[in-house]
Amino acid sequence: GENVEQHPSTLSVQEGDSAVIKCTYSDSASNYFPWYKQELGKRPQLIIDIRSNVGEKKDQRIAVTLNKTAKHFSLHITETQPEDSAVYFCAATGSGGSNYKLTFGKGTLLTVNP
Amino acid sequence: GAGVSQSPSNKVTEKGKDVELRCDPISGHTALYWYRQSLGQGLEFLIYFQGNSAPDKSGLPSDRFSAERTGGSVSTLTIQRTQQEDSAVYLCASSAFLGGYTFGSGTRLTVV
Repeated sequence: GENVEQHPSTLSVQEGDSAVIKCTYSDSASNYFPWYKQELGKRPQLIIDIRSNVGEKKDQRIAVTLNKTAKHFSLHITETQPEDSAVYFCAATGSGGSNYKLTFGKGTLLTVNP
Repeated sequence: GAGVSQSPSNKVTEKGKDVELRCDPISGHTALYWYRQSLGQGLEFLIYFQGNSAPDKSGLPSDRFSAERTGGSVSTLTIQRTQQEDSAVYLCASSAFLGGYTFGSGTRLTVV
């Protein structure tokens, strides 16, 4: 099955700096890569996603890049703000009969210091 | 409904008792998923439904765990003879298409 590795596990930045979180996946047939943000005590919420037919996608201060050859994808947050502080999870789909199932990375705790 | 509803939001149970956790997905979402999140940990896949059938139940930790879905809608996750290691937040999600998950708020299960 799919295996997703996520780094770093914790990340601390100053307000206004950029933050980058990286993930690798194992199943070359994976074709959908979402990112979720989970604030303390709340449910994970989708913030951006990318499909395997594109290499980059942006939404205001958030961008995701995908390198299919290397099987890795990254989340980039620019001009970070304290409200960006949360746990971020990357995920990937597998292939075959379970291609709806997302396999998640173990998460990155991002702290943005004012 | 407007979102994915889970009940109860919190459940404290004694070791050895059975518990039932309920998930009411977004109307029209054909796929439903159960995940488990232990304190400070990631999202552990348990089981996935497409309609009323479960093509992938590979994440269920033991035969004490079971789940069903009826009418292509509500799902129930049952844990029999609960153990302390079952304590976690159980999250349900639904989707209408590949990958587009909407999560519920979860059920926090505490086994004492």
